[in-house]
Amino acid sequence: AQSVSQHNHHVILSEAASLELGCNYSYGGTVNLFWYVQYPGQHLQLLLKYFSGDPLVKGIKGFEAEFIKSKFSFNLRKPSVQWSDTAEYFCAVNSGGYQKVTFGTGTKLQVIP
Amino acid sequence: EAGVAQSPRYKIIEKRQSVAFWCNPISGHATLYWYQQILGQGPKLLIQFQNNGVVDDSQLPKDRFSAERLKGVDSTLKIQPAKLEDSAVYLCASSPLSYEQYFGPGTRLTVT
Repeated sequence: AQSVSQHNHHVILSEAASLELGCNYSYGGTVNLFWYVQYPGQHLQLLLKYFSGDPLVKGIKGFEAEFIKSKFSFNLRKPSVQWSDTAEYFCAVNSGGYQKVTFGTGTKLQVIP
Repeated sequence: EAGVAQSPRYKIIEKRQSVAFWCNPISGHATLYWYQQILGQGPKLLIQFQNNGVVDDSQLPKDRFSAERLKGVDSTLKIQPAKLEDSAVYLCASSPLSYEQYFGPGTRLTVT
């Protein structure tokens, strides 16, 4: 069964600091990878996704993630965070087709002005 | 485009009572999901529908939870009887394929 690990549960950064949130998954076959974000008081929404092709994917609001197949990782990055990036971030994976999506436990990011 | 609608937004019940949640997905989305999100955890899939049919319900506690999707559109999730550990946010999501999901606002259930 597929599983997703997010190593950082709570991250506190100052504005303009660089961000990297770790995500590792366990499934060995073809995967689709996602990062979702939940801003305070808002719905979960898609930040970015990887299906195939260029392993470096860019999402909304300056976020990007790199798929490293050999490391089973899909880390989220942003070069300079803003206070408005304060949110909870979830990594998710599915093994394609109509297979279910498995979510990680989430990382709460707090950006201090 | 209207988003995924859920109701109610909040519900407080006593243990052993029953409760039902409703979800209206984005028009045209064939796939509908129900998730349970317990505080401090990621969403856990309870059931996934593809049109009218169930694709995955392996994590649905079938002795107390049930779900249906009428005519491949709206869906209801029911808990009967509720337990204290059912306190959580219940999320509904829909997808045009089984990939990118669009989430509703969720229903926060408190069982006392």
